[in-house]
Amino acid sequence: GESVGLHLPTLSVQEGDNSIINCAYSNSASDYFIWYKQESGKGPQFIIDIRSNMDKRQGQRVTVLLNKTVKHLSLQIAATQPGDSAVYFCAERGNTPLVFGKGTRLSVIA
Amino acid sequence: NAGVTQTPKFRILKIGQSMTLQCAQDMNHNYMYWYRQDPGMGLKLIYYSVGAGITDKGEVPNGYNVSRSTTEDFPLRLELAAPSQTSVYFCASSYSAGVAYNEQFFGPGTRLTVL
Repeated sequence: GESVGLHLPTLSVQEGDNSIINCAYSNSASDYFIWYKQESGKGPQFIIDIRSNMDKRQGQRVTVLLNKTVKHLSLQIAATQPGDSAVYFCAERGNTPLVFGKGTRLSVIA
Repeated sequence: NAGVTQTPKFRILKIGQSMTLQCAQDMNHNYMYWYRQDPGMGLKLIYYSVGAGITDKGEVPNGYNVSRSTTEDFPLRLELAAPSQTSVYFCASSYSAGVAYNEQFFGPGTRLTVL
């Protein structure tokens, strides 16, 4: 079956530093990988996605890297800000619409 | 646009009771989804719908039922509530699954406790 997991459950970063959130996946047939951000008490919010035939995609202050050889996905946030404090989920689209990982809590230290 | 709306925000149920969680979207999205999120966990797909009159099971459908009579509404029914159904329930919608990934828009969630 499909499974998406995360290497670290919590991450603390100094304001202004770069953050890297990692994720492992198991379904080689997934065609899209997606990152969502969830602030406390709210629903998840889309950040960025990457198609399986790509290895890098950049957005505003965020970069997603996909390494299909080791089935690894990462989200890089540049110049982390207090507003980036949230739980970040990776998800993959394969046989079902989306399978979510457990999430990493990012805490930004001012 | 209100986006995706969910009611109620909170609810406490007794074991064996039933209830319907309401979800509506005003973005004319054809796809709608129900997820549950247990504490400290990711979201698990319960049911989804690709259009009015069509529903499919997700990863954890047992104990739930859905219907999709209109494009806008996608209610989730809990029959015979059990403590294991204590969770936060999120409804989401997207324009189309298609080939490209289309962003899912999430509602604010319904926090359900079964005692």
